[in-house]
Amino acid sequence: AQSVAQPEDQVNVAEGNPLTVKCTYSVSGNPYLFWYVQYPNRGLQFLLKYITGDNLVKGSYGFEAEFNKSQTSFHLKKPSALVSDSALYFCAVRDSGSGNTGKLIFGQGTTLQVKP
Amino acid sequence: GAGVSQTPSNKVTEKGKYVELRCDPISGHTALYWYRQSLGQGPEFLIYFQGTGAADDSGLPNDRFFAVRPEGSVSTLKIQRTERGDSAVYLCASSPRTGLLSGANVLTFGAGSRLTVL
Repeated sequence: AQSVAQPEDQVNVAEGNPLTVKCTYSVSGNPYLFWYVQYPNRGLQFLLKYITGDNLVKGSYGFEAEFNKSQTSFHLKKPSALVSDSALYFCAVRDSGSGNTGKLIFGQGTTLQVKP
Repeated sequence: GAGVSQTPSNKVTEKGKYVELRCDPISGHTALYWYRQSLGQGPEFLIYFQGTGAADDSGLPNDRFFAVRPEGSVSTLKIQRTERGDSAVYLCASSPRTGLLSGANVLTFGAGSRLTVL
């Protein structure tokens, strides 16, 4: 079965420090991977995606993610965290049986708390 | 419009009642998706439309749930005989038409409709 796991419910980091939000996946075939962020009372916002090519993907707001096929991981990273990065982050994988659609399987989410 | 608009933002109803949730996607986006997000969980796929037709409704939990998109733009998610377990945030998203690798998978989400069934 296809799935996405985010092993940490919450990640705490001090402002200015690097941050990592972890994601592992299980999918048949080549994975199409995504990160979305959700601020309170706002819709999910797209951060970045991996389809093919370079394993390091750069996205919005200075975020990047590293695709690691052998470890089936797609961790989200940022070199220097901001207080405004505090939000709920979701990793997702495209349902491989859905064709080229936006039918995604989401992880349960990780709350990022950046403290001043 | 500039973004995906969902109404109402909040809906409180009683068990057994009928509910309609509306989604107005980004103009020109032919693909429209409904997801459901329960407390503490990630969004779960319900149904998606390509144009007017439901291309995949495999995520609808049972026959109390139904969605339409009669003119290929606005969509309505309909829930009959609501149950307390239906309480969740219902998210709508849209994207450019499927089949285009560069943009097809990037979804733009609305702020959601929070449904509470008492």
